[in-house]
Amino acid sequence: DSGVTQTPKHLITATGQRVTLRCSPRSGDLSVYWYQQSLDQGLQFLIQYYNGEERAKGNILERFSAQQFPDLHSELNLSSLELGDSALYFCASSPRGVLNTEAFFGQGTRLTVV
Amino acid sequence: QQPVQSPQAVILREGEDAVINCSSSKALYSVHWYRQKHGEAPVFLMILLKGGEQKGHEKISASFNEKKQQSSLYLTASQLSYSGTYFCGTSGGSNYKLTFGKGTLLTVNP
Repeated sequence: DSGVTQTPKHLITATGQRVTLRCSPRSGDLSVYWYQQSLDQGLQFLIQYYNGEERAKGNILERFSAQQFPDLHSELNLSSLELGDSALYFCASSPRGVLNTEAFFGQGTRLTVV
Repeated sequence: QQPVQSPQAVILREGEDAVINCSSSKALYSVHWYRQKHGEAPVFLMILLKGGEQKGHEKISASFNEKKQQSSLYLTASQLSYSGTYFCGTSGGSNYKLTFGKGTLLTVNP
Protein backbone atom coordinates (compact mmCIF):
# COMPACT_ATOMS: atom_id res chain seq x y z
CA ASP A 1 0.00 0.00 0.00
CA SER A 2 1.59 3.26 -1.20
CA GLY A 3 -0.54 5.46 1.04
CA VAL A 4 -2.08 7.26 -1.94
CA THR A 5 -5.84 6.77 -2.16
CA GLN A 6 -7.87 7.16 -5.32
CA THR A 7 -11.63 7.01 -5.59
CA PRO A 8 -13.60 5.62 -7.21
CA LYS A 9 -11.75 2.50 -8.38
CA HIS A 10 -14.05 2.03 -11.36
CA LEU A 11 -16.30 4.43 -13.21
CA ILE A 12 -18.58 3.76 -16.16
CA THR A 13 -20.25 6.72 -17.81
CA ALA A 14 -21.75 7.81 -21.11
CA THR A 15 -20.27 10.05 -23.77
CA GLY A 16 -20.80 13.73 -23.15
CA GLN A 17 -20.92 13.35 -19.39
CA ARG A 18 -18.67 14.87 -16.72
CA VAL A 19 -16.85 12.97 -13.97
CA THR A 20 -14.62 13.81 -11.03
CA LEU A 21 -11.74 11.63 -9.90
CA ARG A 22 -10.40 12.10 -6.41
CA CYS A 23 -6.92 11.60 -4.98
CA SER A 24 -5.68 11.76 -1.39
CA PRO A 25 -1.88 11.94 -1.24
CA ARG A 26 0.34 10.28 1.34
CA SER A 27 0.39 12.03 4.67
CA GLY A 28 2.80 14.96 4.46
CA ASP A 29 3.21 14.94 0.69
CA LEU A 30 2.67 18.35 -0.87
CA SER A 31 2.88 17.37 -4.56
CA VAL A 32 0.21 15.55 -6.53
CA TYR A 33 0.64 14.32 -10.11
CA TRP A 34 -2.00 13.04 -12.52
CA TYR A 35 -1.31 10.53 -15.29
CA GLN A 36 -3.43 8.89 -17.98
CA GLN A 37 -2.69 5.36 -19.15
CA SER A 38 -4.64 4.13 -22.16
CA LEU A 39 -4.68 0.50 -23.30
CA ASP A 40 -1.13 -0.59 -24.13
CA GLN A 41 0.11 2.96 -23.73
CA GLY A 42 2.61 4.42 -21.39
CA LEU A 43 1.99 6.86 -18.58
CA GLN A 44 1.03 10.22 -20.04
CA PHE A 45 1.69 13.13 -17.70
CA LEU A 46 -1.33 15.41 -17.36
CA ILE A 47 -0.75 17.96 -14.62
CA GLN A 48 0.97 18.54 -11.27
CA TYR A 49 0.14 20.59 -8.18
CA TYR A 50 2.35 21.63 -5.30
CA ASN A 51 0.71 22.84 -2.10
CA GLY A 52 -2.35 24.05 -3.95
CA GLU A 53 -0.62 25.64 -6.93
CA GLU A 54 -0.25 24.27 -10.45
CA ARG A 55 3.47 23.88 -11.16
CA ALA A 56 3.65 21.72 -14.29
CA LYS A 57 1.36 20.89 -17.16
CA GLY A 58 1.58 18.11 -19.71
CA ASN A 59 -0.64 17.04 -22.58
CA ILE A 60 -3.88 17.76 -20.76
CA LEU A 61 -6.94 18.39 -22.89
CA GLU A 62 -8.91 21.60 -22.44
CA ARG A 63 -11.90 19.45 -21.43
CA PHE A 64 -9.90 18.27 -18.43
CA SER A 65 -9.11 20.34 -15.36
CA ALA A 66 -7.71 19.72 -11.92
CA GLN A 67 -7.23 21.40 -8.60
CA GLN A 68 -5.59 20.76 -5.24
CA PHE A 69 -7.46 21.79 -2.13
CA PRO A 70 -6.13 23.22 1.18
CA ASP A 71 -6.21 19.75 2.75
CA LEU A 72 -3.95 18.68 -0.18
CA HIS A 73 -6.35 16.24 -1.78
CA SER A 74 -6.76 16.72 -5.52
CA GLU A 75 -9.54 16.27 -8.01
CA LEU A 76 -9.34 15.69 -11.75
CA ASN A 77 -12.42 16.81 -13.65
CA LEU A 78 -13.13 15.32 -17.06
CA SER A 79 -15.98 16.82 -19.09
CA SER A 80 -17.66 16.25 -22.46
CA LEU A 81 -16.34 12.73 -22.28
CA GLU A 82 -15.47 10.85 -25.45
CA LEU A 83 -14.89 7.14 -26.05
CA GLY A 84 -11.17 7.83 -26.35
CA ASP A 85 -11.04 9.12 -22.78
CA SER A 86 -11.47 5.56 -21.53
CA ALA A 87 -8.28 4.84 -19.63
CA LEU A 88 -6.68 4.17 -16.27
CA TYR A 89 -6.05 7.44 -14.45
CA PHE A 90 -3.30 7.43 -11.85
CA CYS A 91 -2.52 9.90 -9.16
CA ALA A 92 0.91 10.01 -7.54
CA SER A 93 2.34 12.04 -4.70
CA SER A 94 5.74 13.07 -3.41
CA PRO A 95 6.95 15.15 -0.47
CA ARG A 96 7.97 18.04 -2.70
CA GLY A 97 9.25 17.66 -6.26
CA VAL A 98 10.71 14.72 -8.15
CA LEU A 99 14.26 15.83 -8.80
CA ASN A 100 15.62 13.70 -5.97
CA THR A 101 12.70 11.82 -4.44
CA GLU A 102 10.40 9.14 -5.73
CA ALA A 103 6.71 9.49 -6.47
CA PHE A 104 4.20 7.05 -4.98
CA PHE A 105 1.29 5.94 -7.12
CA GLY A 106 -2.28 5.22 -6.13
CA GLN A 107 -4.14 2.18 -7.44
CA GLY A 108 -5.81 4.19 -10.16
CA THR A 109 -9.33 4.88 -11.36
CA ARG A 110 -10.45 2.88 -14.37
CA LEU A 111 -12.74 5.07 -16.48
CA THR A 112 -14.90 3.47 -19.14
CA VAL A 113 -16.85 5.76 -21.46
CA VAL A 114 -19.68 4.03 -23.34
CA GLN B 1 10.25 15.43 -24.07
CA GLN B 2 9.47 11.74 -23.58
CA PRO B 3 12.49 9.50 -22.91
CA VAL B 4 13.06 6.61 -25.31
CA GLN B 5 13.27 3.08 -23.93
CA SER B 6 14.74 -0.01 -25.53
CA PRO B 7 14.02 -2.78 -26.08
CA GLN B 8 10.22 -2.61 -26.27
CA ALA B 9 9.91 -6.17 -25.01
CA VAL B 10 12.17 -8.95 -23.77
CA ILE B 11 11.56 -12.56 -22.82
CA LEU B 12 13.84 -14.34 -20.38
CA ARG B 13 14.12 -17.65 -18.65
CA GLU B 14 14.40 -17.58 -14.89
CA GLY B 15 17.99 -16.87 -13.87
CA GLU B 16 18.94 -14.96 -17.02
CA ASP B 17 20.02 -11.33 -17.12
CA ALA B 18 18.52 -8.34 -18.91
CA VAL B 19 19.37 -4.71 -19.57
CA ILE B 20 16.81 -2.01 -20.24
CA ASN B 21 17.97 1.29 -21.66
CA CYS B 22 16.54 4.79 -21.38
CA SER B 23 17.77 7.82 -23.28
CA SER B 24 16.74 11.45 -23.45
CA SER B 25 17.35 14.31 -25.84
CA LYS B 26 17.29 16.74 -22.93
CA ALA B 27 19.73 17.15 -20.06
CA LEU B 28 18.85 14.85 -17.20
CA TYR B 29 18.86 15.75 -13.54
CA SER B 30 17.50 12.47 -12.32
CA VAL B 31 16.18 9.20 -13.68
CA HIS B 32 13.44 7.16 -12.03
CA TRP B 33 12.70 3.50 -12.66
CA TYR B 34 9.30 1.91 -11.94
CA ARG B 35 7.80 -1.53 -12.53
CA GLN B 36 4.12 -2.06 -13.27
CA LYS B 37 2.28 -5.35 -13.16
CA HIS B 38 -0.74 -5.59 -15.44
CA GLY B 39 -3.66 -3.55 -14.11
CA GLU B 40 -1.74 -2.42 -11.03
CA ALA B 41 -0.04 0.79 -9.94
CA PRO B 42 3.56 1.49 -10.92
CA VAL B 43 5.93 0.66 -8.08
CA PHE B 44 9.11 2.61 -7.45
CA LEU B 45 12.37 0.71 -7.99
CA MET B 46 15.18 3.20 -8.11
CA ILE B 47 16.16 6.80 -8.55
CA LEU B 48 19.50 7.93 -9.93
CA LEU B 49 20.65 11.44 -9.27
CA LYS B 50 23.07 13.70 -11.06
CA GLY B 51 26.40 13.23 -9.36
CA GLY B 52 26.10 9.51 -8.92
CA GLU B 53 23.87 9.03 -5.94
CA GLN B 54 21.28 6.31 -6.27
CA LYS B 55 18.55 5.08 -4.01
CA GLY B 56 16.38 2.05 -4.36
CA HIS B 57 16.09 -1.66 -4.85
CA GLU B 58 18.65 -4.04 -3.38
CA LYS B 59 18.72 -6.64 -6.17
CA ILE B 60 18.32 -4.38 -9.17
CA SER B 61 21.05 -1.97 -10.20
CA ALA B 62 21.23 0.88 -12.66
CA SER B 63 23.66 3.30 -14.20
CA PHE B 64 23.30 6.94 -15.15
CA ASN B 65 25.51 8.54 -17.79
CA GLU B 66 24.91 12.27 -17.50
CA LYS B 67 27.02 13.17 -20.52
CA LYS B 68 25.19 10.75 -22.81
CA GLN B 69 21.85 11.48 -21.14
CA GLN B 70 21.26 7.77 -20.74
CA SER B 71 20.38 5.33 -18.01
CA SER B 72 20.38 1.53 -17.98
CA LEU B 73 18.59 -0.84 -15.62
CA TYR B 74 20.32 -4.15 -14.93
CA LEU B 75 18.25 -7.15 -13.90
CA THR B 76 20.48 -10.03 -12.92
CA ALA B 77 19.48 -13.61 -12.13
CA SER B 78 15.92 -12.74 -12.99
CA GLN B 79 13.05 -14.17 -10.98
CA LEU B 80 9.47 -14.85 -12.05
CA SER B 81 8.41 -11.87 -9.94
CA TYR B 82 10.45 -9.54 -12.16
CA SER B 83 7.86 -9.87 -14.91
CA GLY B 84 6.07 -6.64 -15.72
CA THR B 85 6.45 -3.41 -17.63
CA TYR B 86 9.41 -1.24 -16.71
CA PHE B 87 9.19 2.50 -17.11
CA CYS B 88 11.92 5.07 -16.88
CA GLY B 89 10.94 8.56 -15.89
CA THR B 90 12.99 11.69 -16.33
CA SER B 91 12.65 15.06 -14.69
CA GLY B 92 14.79 17.12 -17.02
CA GLY B 93 15.12 20.53 -15.48
CA SER B 94 11.73 20.61 -13.83
CA ASN B 95 11.29 19.60 -10.22
CA TYR B 96 7.62 18.96 -10.80
CA LYS B 97 7.28 17.13 -14.11
CA LEU B 98 8.13 13.43 -14.32
CA THR B 99 7.85 12.20 -17.91
CA PHE B 100 7.84 8.48 -18.59
CA GLY B 101 8.99 6.44 -21.56
CA LYS B 102 6.64 4.01 -23.32
CA GLY B 103 7.86 1.12 -21.23
CA THR B 104 9.63 -2.21 -21.70
CA LEU B 105 7.61 -5.39 -21.25
CA LEU B 106 9.69 -8.01 -19.45
CA THR B 107 8.47 -11.59 -19.31
CA VAL B 108 10.31 -14.13 -17.19
CA ASN B 109 9.41 -17.76 -17.86
CA PRO B 110 10.22 -20.80 -15.71
